[in-house]
Amino acid sequence: EPEVTQTPSHQVTQMGQEVILRCVPISNHLYFYWYRQILGQKVEFLVSFYNNEISEKSEIFDDQFSVERPDGSNFTLKIRSTKLEDSAMYFCASSERGANQPQHFGDGTRLSIL
Amino acid sequence: QKEVEQDPGPLSVPEGAIVSLNCTYSNSAFQYFMWYRQYSRKGPELLMYTYSSGNKEDGRFTAQVDKSSKYISLFIRDSQPSDSATYLCAMSAYGGTSYGKLTFGQGTILTVHP
Repeated sequence: EPEVTQTPSHQVTQMGQEVILRCVPISNHLYFYWYRQILGQKVEFLVSFYNNEISEKSEIFDDQFSVERPDGSNFTLKIRSTKLEDSAMYFCASSERGANQPQHFGDGTRLSIL
Repeated sequence: QKEVEQDPGPLSVPEGAIVSLNCTYSNSAFQYFMWYRQYSRKGPELLMYTYSSGNKEDGRFTAQVDKSSKYISLFIRDSQPSDSATYLCAMSAYGGTSYGKLTFGQGTILTVHP
């Protein structure tokens, strides 16, 4: 069964450094999402992306964050200058046809900021 | 009032029991309802997706939606130890400025013991 893959599974970074999290969505999917989950807290929406544009973003997704689909298969989340509070699990998700379709998640990247 | 509320449990049941998991929500714009299962250090795995009031069955799982009461449930029949996981409810609105953003509950930790 097709799946969303994320790399790396664990990223350790010094505070203030830039980090790029990578995702390969399911191949025929058109809508892409990033979520994060701080330890012990809810899964929170960060951003949705369609047709090479951000469709919607949350208050968390400030100027330090950016997303990109650099080619036909990858979808990336960049954090420009990491803070301690960025430590979390970051999940990528994709859906097939429309924003009202079910979303399929990857296994996440655990980001640890030192 | 939180947009989505879910009893975090933990819930512990014997093998073979019927499990009932519930979420309430306050945003009447939510139209699409999902249940995800999340094993430790894994991403959310889609179990059920529905968009209408009533029941939807898939094997041992039944999803129930009551839009008038803003209440959704997931029933697991003949529960197995392999069902031990965290169960997340998630929902989304559609239209206006919404492009598929999922709002999650806190998650309920379920343990099924042999």
